[in-house]
Amino acid sequence: AQTVTQSQPEMSVQEAETVTLSCTYDTSENNYYLFWYKQPPSRQMILVIRQEAYKQQNATENRFSVNFQKAAKSFSLKISDSQLGDTAMYFCAFMKHANTGANNLFFGTGTRLTVIP
Amino acid sequence: GAVVSQHPSRVICKSGTSVKIECRSLDFQATTMFWYRQFPKQSLMLMATSNEGSKATYEQGVEKDKFLINHASLTLSTLTVTSAHPEDSSFYICSARETATVFSYEQYFGPGTRLTVT
Repeated sequence: AQTVTQSQPEMSVQEAETVTLSCTYDTSENNYYLFWYKQPPSRQMILVIRQEAYKQQNATENRFSVNFQKAAKSFSLKISDSQLGDTAMYFCAFMKHANTGANNLFFGTGTRLTVIP
Repeated sequence: GAVVSQHPSRVICKSGTSVKIECRSLDFQATTMFWYRQFPKQSLMLMATSNEGSKATYEQGVEKDKFLINHASLTLSTLTVTSAHPEDSSFYICSARETATVFSYEQYFGPGTRLTVT
């Protein structure tokens, strides 16, 4: 079974500063995907960034980047130049790679991030 | 593109009644849809995987007779909470996986439905 652990229930960061959210996972799979989702107060889940396990290069999306350490099974999210709109719940998620069928997401428990003006 | 809608956005019902929640993929076809439940300040818990034209696959501990799922078309899945009780009050979220490619990993989430059972 897959498990995803987020050890930081809550974090805060000053506006314009940088913050890193931690995520570790456990799996026996070799091919998989990792995701960070944002859930603002509206409750709409928004994909922030994804990483394919077979890619060694860390994914980057504008102010968001990841530090993917496959051997350590670690997948942290770095948010640079934090903005007030980044205040939200952040979920780390894992998905097995599957050629067919439904491959569902396994979510961590989430980290509540507050950006302080 | 890739928009998923849910209806209703919030519903209040009396204990013992049934409630139907719709999940629609508006601009793509979705062979597979997923239903999640989220309690306050908690993570998303997968309830079931809905496959178009076949029976849903339920996660362990989820009562299939209580949470009826129907995926009758490539753009619509419904979740019916039968004989609802206050403990069924929760936030229900659906997601859809695009059919276009078998290797698609992206899931698109609906905005959620808040169910309150009085």
